[in-house]
Amino acid sequence: RKEVEQDPGPFNVPEGATVAFNCTYSNSASQSFFWYRQDCRKEPKLLMSVYSSGNEDGRFTAQLNRASQYISLLIRDSKLSDSATYLCVVNGRSGYALNFGKGTSLLVTP
Amino acid sequence: NAGVTQTPKFRILKIGQSMTLQCTQDMNHNYMYWYRQDPGMGLKLIYYSVGAGITDKGEVPNGYNVSRSTTEDFPLRLELAAPSQTSVYFCASSPTSSANYNEQFFGPGTRLTVL
Repeated sequence: RKEVEQDPGPFNVPEGATVAFNCTYSNSASQSFFWYRQDCRKEPKLLMSVYSSGNEDGRFTAQLNRASQYISLLIRDSKLSDSATYLCVVNGRSGYALNFGKGTSLLVTP
Repeated sequence: NAGVTQTPKFRILKIGQSMTLQCTQDMNHNYMYWYRQDPGMGLKLIYYSVGAGITDKGEVPNGYNVSRSTTEDFPLRLELAAPSQTSVYFCASSPTSSANYNEQFFGPGTRLTVL
C-alpha cells in the first residue's frame, strides 16, 4: 500500500462550485498532515495544515479522521485561480521527511 | 528574504556527465531536503539534512550525493548522469523550532534532462 493515496482526477468544476478531495495514508503513527498546492511547472506551496479537530481558512476546510486514516479538503465557491494540483502530505516514518501523494488536479472553468 | 533559491533553472546533460545542483536558503532553517518529481508522480525524497555536517538518505538516494558545510547551502551532486535521472528537482527547507516543524518551503526547481 502506498504511503499516501489520492484520486488523481482531474476534477473539472464550474466557478462557484464546491469540490472535495480525499486522501488516505498508511502510517497510523503519522502526526503532521498538510495540503500543498502546486501550480503547473511551479514548486509546491503550503495551502494549509490539517488539525485533528478540523480547520478552516476562508473558502478552504480540511478534515482529519485518524481512525480511518483519511484526510479531506473542501473548497467552496471555487475560483478560476483555484485551478492547480492539490497534494496531500503526511509526515514520514523518519519524522523529518514528508510523504507526498501524487496530487489531485482541479480545473475550474468559467 | 529570497527564501529558497536553486540554480540552474534548466539543464541538459549527456549520459555520464556530472553536475551539481545548487540550493541556498536565507531563512536560517536547520532542515533541508532534496526531492525529485517525475511527471504525474509525487515528490520522492532523495536526501535530507538536519543541520550543517549532517546528512542522511531518503527514499531514492542512488546516483546522488550531498554535502552540508553551512546552514545556508545544500548542493546535490550527480556523478554519472543517466536518463532515469531526468526529472524536476526541488530543494526545500523547514524551520528548526515550530509547532509544525515539518512545514517545508520549496525552491522553484531545476528541470534536468539527461540525453
